[in-house]
Amino acid sequence: NAGVTQTPKFQVLKTGQSMTLQCAQDMNHNSMYWYRQDPGMGLRLIYYSASEGTTDKGEVPNGYNVSRLNKREFSLRLESAAPSQTSVYFCASSEVAAGPSTDTQYFGPGTRLTVL
Amino acid sequence: RKEVEQDPGPFNVPEGATVAFNCTYSNSASQSFFWYRQDCRKEPKLLMSVYSSGNEDGRFTAQLNRASQYISLLIRDSKLSDSATYLCVVDSNYQLIWGAGTKLIIKP
Repeated sequence: NAGVTQTPKFQVLKTGQSMTLQCAQDMNHNSMYWYRQDPGMGLRLIYYSASEGTTDKGEVPNGYNVSRLNKREFSLRLESAAPSQTSVYFCASSEVAAGPSTDTQYFGPGTRLTVL
Repeated sequence: RKEVEQDPGPFNVPEGATVAFNCTYSNSASQSFFWYRQDCRKEPKLLMSVYSSGNEDGRFTAQLNRASQYISLLIRDSKLSDSATYLCVVDSNYQLIWGAGTKLIIKP
């Protein structure tokens, strides 16, 4: 039981490049989330998916797109990376099928992204 | 004013001491409160939920003060392994709002 896995762990991009961050969970959770964490700031929600087939914007969605590929997988895509997107990205999942729910969230190990 | 505010610390505490820190929130309608722990360069993990009546889990005690709109975390008999950043999380308008965290360093 791996919990929540993310790939890659580290990535360096040049401005304008695109990439997709992958996330998978094996806990049969309904809801999945993408957050970014920047120094001195709390986690900020980028997008979430309350159930398979649905996605919704969070607090900071600009510059990102997501796909809930199936119940297990939720990917985050940066179409044209900018230096302001340098951050640590966390994927999370929770059991409850409701908005950004108040259920316990389980996090992946994170992706450290640097955009030059 | 930020919706959820925490003292960033660091709190430098000798091993065995008791330490407490607070988290203030701005939405008086908030109903759910949590403390998560985040080790350096790791992901956050749930430490405990905070209930209206307060709750205790071993050496950790969490309390809610609705009148003053803050939650607190008390750690007794602190261990070296308690060194981490403690994140306060509060629901607001069906979203979870995360504090920036309080860094705790336990010294031998």
